[in-house]
Amino acid sequence: EAQVTQNPRYLITVTGKKLTVTCSQNMNHEYMSWYRQDPGLGLRQIYYSMNVEVTDKGDVPEGYKVSRKEKRNFPLILESPSPNQTSLYFCASSPPDRGHEQFFGPGTRLTVL
Amino acid sequence: AQKVTQAQTEISVVEKEDVTLDCVYETRDTTYYLFWYKQPPSGELVFLIRRNSFDEQNEISGRYSWNFQKSTSSFNFTITASQVVDSAVYFCALSFFRGAGKSTFGDGTTLTVKP
Repeated sequence: EAQVTQNPRYLITVTGKKLTVTCSQNMNHEYMSWYRQDPGLGLRQIYYSMNVEVTDKGDVPEGYKVSRKEKRNFPLILESPSPNQTSLYFCASSPPDRGHEQFFGPGTRLTVL
Repeated sequence: AQKVTQAQTEISVVEKEDVTLDCVYETRDTTYYLFWYKQPPSGELVFLIRRNSFDEQNEISGRYSWNFQKSTSSFNFTITASQVVDSAVYFCALSFFRGAGKSTFGDGTTLTVKP
């Protein structure tokens, strides 16, 4: 089954404790993105990647890191999480055709205490 | 810079009513793509439709229809004869040709359809 998977789905952590949210897709897509969703603010793009070793900042990259060492994986790293990073995070992937729709993962709900 | 505005934060209708969700966008690019996604209460994001800036044809798919007007920078979505299962958050999104991978979403419109 073609899908985007994220782990963990739920995470409660404390300020300053480094964490990684994994994202993997099995559709051989070139493009991958991370978004955060907050009430009333829609989805805001954190980082995106156009291919292996090619990443770029989205609209809200502060406090996050990403890497793209393999085509299928695009982990999101919070080196020192803070309470304002409490949010619902979505990973997405899409083929390289410009304007193709994105396929989203199920979401990761992160709470930073 | 690009921007998507969904001015309607919440809409509530009674089943069988028609409802239109508004989307207004801003971009300096001449080539761009517009999308609608649905997020039901279960939380997943579901793609509904895509339009490119060269294709102003309106589209109808069952009870759903979309009206794209470049002159007013709008891409509105109408649900005819709404049903309770249409209750969801709907997002309009914009991506552009030169910024492959970069996307901007509106804040979403929460639609509640009451029985």
